[in-house]
Amino acid sequence: QLQLQESGPGLVKPSETLSLTCTVSGGSISSSSYYWGWIRQPPGKGLEWIGSIYYSGSTYYNPSLKSRVTISVDTSKNQFSLKLSSVTAADTAVYYCARQLWFDYWGQGTLVTVSS
Amino acid sequence: QSALTQPASVSGSPGQSITISCTGTSSDVGSYNLVSWYQQHPGKAPKLMIYEVSKRPSGVSNRFSGSKSGNTASLTISGLQAEDEADYYCCSYAGSSTYVVFGGGTKLTVL
Repeated sequence: QLQLQESGPGLVKPSETLSLTCTVSGGSISSSSYYWGWIRQPPGKGLEWIGSIYYSGSTYYNPSLKSRVTISVDTSKNQFSLKLSSVTAADTAVYYCARQLWFDYWGQGTLVTVSS
Repeated sequence: QSALTQPASVSGSPGQSITISCTGTSSDVGSYNLVSWYQQHPGKAPKLMIYEVSKRPSGVSNRFSGSKSGNTASLTISGLQAEDEADYYCCSYAGSSTYVVFGGGTKLTVL
């Protein structure tokens, strides 16, 4: 059974960089059939796709976040990572990682709060 | 403002059927049969319920069905049950510049 687990700091200061890692177990991140994505959900609000990566390193990002987002992959560790720079309070959200062709497997989510 | 428009809330009684709409444009829902639907219970991660407009993943009840007409996709839940009470989100591929868009979500209340 494929499992995804997000990890990273739960509190980030304004203007700093948010960094999260998603560890995939029960399957290989190098599967040729899937991308791996990040989605976030501000408290009490809807889902927002952030971006996705293929095991080869090909990425595509939400145009509204593109200037601040970097997603990378480490196939040796079966992990992919998210960096979001210059964060503000508006970036406070639960961040999910998911397997994507359809978002069929999700991590449990991790709350990241942006506050000084 | 979300790219896809959903009603904020819908409700129904146990045993009834409800339909949740998801309205996009000719650049997303209208151009691709790549609409998916997700169910989210409070404090939980979303769960894939429908993909490619009308296909159900293994393990999802056949009470859930999807369809599309023009720029609007729909999720229908028949034989409503108490455990169907949740938030529902639609999602569509939106081409090679925008890629993925979600709806704003619909809260389903089972009366």
